Amino acid sequence: EVQLAESGGGLVQPGGSLRLSCAVSKFIFSTSWMSWVRQAPGKGLEWVANIKNDGSEIYYADSVKGRFTISRDNAKNSLYLQMNSLRVEDTAVYYCARDGDAFDLWGQGTMVTVSS
Amino acid sequence: EIVLTQSPGTLSLSPGERATLSCRASQSVSSTYLAWYQQKPGQAPRLLMYGASSRATGIPDRFSGSGSGTDFTLTISRLEPEDFAVYYCQHFADTKRFGQGTKVEIK
Repeated sequence: EVQLAESGGGLVQPGGSLRLSCAVSKFIFSTSWMSWVRQAPGKGLEWVANIKNDGSEIYYADSVKGRFTISRDNAKNSLYLQMNSLRVEDTAVYYCARDGDAFDLWGQGTMVTVSS
Repeated sequence: EIVLTQSPGTLSLSPGERATLSCRASQSVSSTYLAWYQQKPGQAPRLLMYGASSRATGIPDRFSGSGSGTDFTLTISRLEPEDFAVYYCQHFADTKRFGQGTKVEIK
């Protein structure tokens, strides 16, 4: 069974940093574009960033550009999101998702709370 | 920047009824890049439709999608109890923007 499992969420103060991980099983991770998508409490979905299968292309939402860095390790079947200079408005559940015909596979999400 | 507007915000229906959800784009988009998702409370979204009208793996045929240009529709032919959820459309290109969602609730 194909699974994506995020980890690394937690409580952090404004201005702090956090690194999220997404472990991927079964499907051919190394041939897939991957994305991070977030959802603030009680709000809708917002795409954050994505990365090509070989890491050669990376794109970010304007809201996180310059603060977040997406990366991947195909040998470890893992996707990462380094989040720096965190703001209160970054509080959300963060999902990793496979970027296929659309976001066709999702993890269960990890909660990030930015608060003093 | 393309904005997707979903209507209605909330749809109150009974099991067995037909649900029609609308997604309108601020400018014409390719149907290739129009997707629909379902999200239940406390769960991750699930892909329902891609390419406007293609059902994702495992999605029952009571779900159908249609539309082109700026107007797209998700139809649930007969609502099952498990279909009561929030539905999002998405333009799966550029900034991969989502609509604000339509909640389908039990009447």
